[in-house]
This record gives sequence, C-alpha cells and structure tokens, in this order.
Amino acid sequence: SAVISQKPSRDICQRGTSLTIQCQVDSQVTMMFWYRQQPGQSLTLIATANQGSEATYESGFVIDKFPISRPNLTFSTLTVSNMSPEDSSIYLCSVSLTEFYGYTFGSGTRLTVV
Amino acid sequence: GDSVTQMEGPVTLSEEAFLTINCTYTATGYPSLFWYVQYPGEGLQLLLKATKADDKGSNKGFEATYRKETTSFHLEKGSVQVSDSAVYFCALSKQGAQKLVFGQGTRLTINP
Repeated sequence: SAVISQKPSRDICQRGTSLTIQCQVDSQVTMMFWYRQQPGQSLTLIATANQGSEATYESGFVIDKFPISRPNLTFSTLTVSNMSPEDSSIYLCSVSLTEFYGYTFGSGTRLTVV
Repeated sequence: GDSVTQMEGPVTLSEEAFLTINCTYTATGYPSLFWYVQYPGEGLQLLLKATKADDKGSNKGFEATYRKETTSFHLEKGSVQVSDSAVYFCALSKQGAQKLVFGQGTRLTINP
C-alpha cells in the first residue's frame, strides 16, 4: 500500500487567515481525496483531486473556501481559506492504489481556529 | 444515495468480552466494504475489507462477512483487549467512483 506524508500535523490559526495542508505520496496515484473530520464526527469527503484537471467538490464545499492543487501524481495541497472557528477539524488526505489494497490515509492535520 | 449506518456508541466492554459492532449499508450495485480503526490522536488505518458477497475480511482477530442478502458487514472479535480501544468506522466504495462513504463511527472502550 502507499505511504502518505501529511503536514503540518497540527496548527492553531487566527480567524480570517488561511492554512495550506500538504500531502505527499510515495507512489504515483491518479486520484487523491481530501476529507474533513469535525470533532467527534465521522469523515466527510471535501473533494477529489485529479492531476491535470480541476478538483471535484462534494455538495456543501466550494473551491473559494477549499482551493486544491494537484501539480503532479504524487502531491496535492488543500487550503482552508478565511478560516473561522467552525473550520476547526481534522483534515485528512487519502489515496487508493487499487481496490485490492483499500484506501490509505495520511495521519491528518488537526486544525484549531481561534 | 449510498450510505452506511453503524450501531450507535459508545460501547464499553470488559477485557476478553465478545465484540460485535453492527454495520448496514445502502448502495446500488456491488460495493466494496471496509472497516477502519482510529486510535486516539492518530489517523485512520485499514482494519479489514471485503470486495464481494460472502467474502470474509479478517485482521488482528477481527472478522467481518459481506452479507448481501442483509446488506450488512458486522465487525466481530472473540476476545477484546484494552489495546482495541479506538473509534471504528464502517465504509463502502463503489467500483469506479472510488471515494469512500463512511458510517458515523463507533467509539469502543475496553476496561481491564
């Protein structure tokens, strides 16, 4: 399975600022997925990032708030823009090499907005 | 749309007890089914999976069988340990769609 390096692991940010989260994979993958886990909740998909095309956002998530870059097959970034306390969550990236191997997750970025 | 429903937690058991965490799904076609585990302060780890009906996934003493007739994928372990304390997520993916749909998670606490 793939190994994912995600950073930062945690951050405390002021409201109104932006944070960019990086996700590096040790294998080339077509799709990378970004999830949000609000405190005590399950995971919700934010968007799917394909290399060479615009990310596909799920209902309730918009590009202006969560811009995503996917410059190559091993790297992606998610930016949380104009943050408010409601954005305090764990953000995780995920990839799947093949369905046989399932999905691998990064260790997550624990974001607190004050 | 596709969805996953897990038994509500939290679940508290004594060490060596038998564990069942129920999971049912709603999906068209033939999804793959997964159990993920999240230990305190960590990311998600794949615990086990099954890709077709009647498949049994197993790992670390945990088992789950893909039951298409009951649209279920219940997680079981015969004798739990304190180290099994974590949040467990049931999830599905559709071939081609590739994104995961998660259940709400079940927090499990094992007391010595």
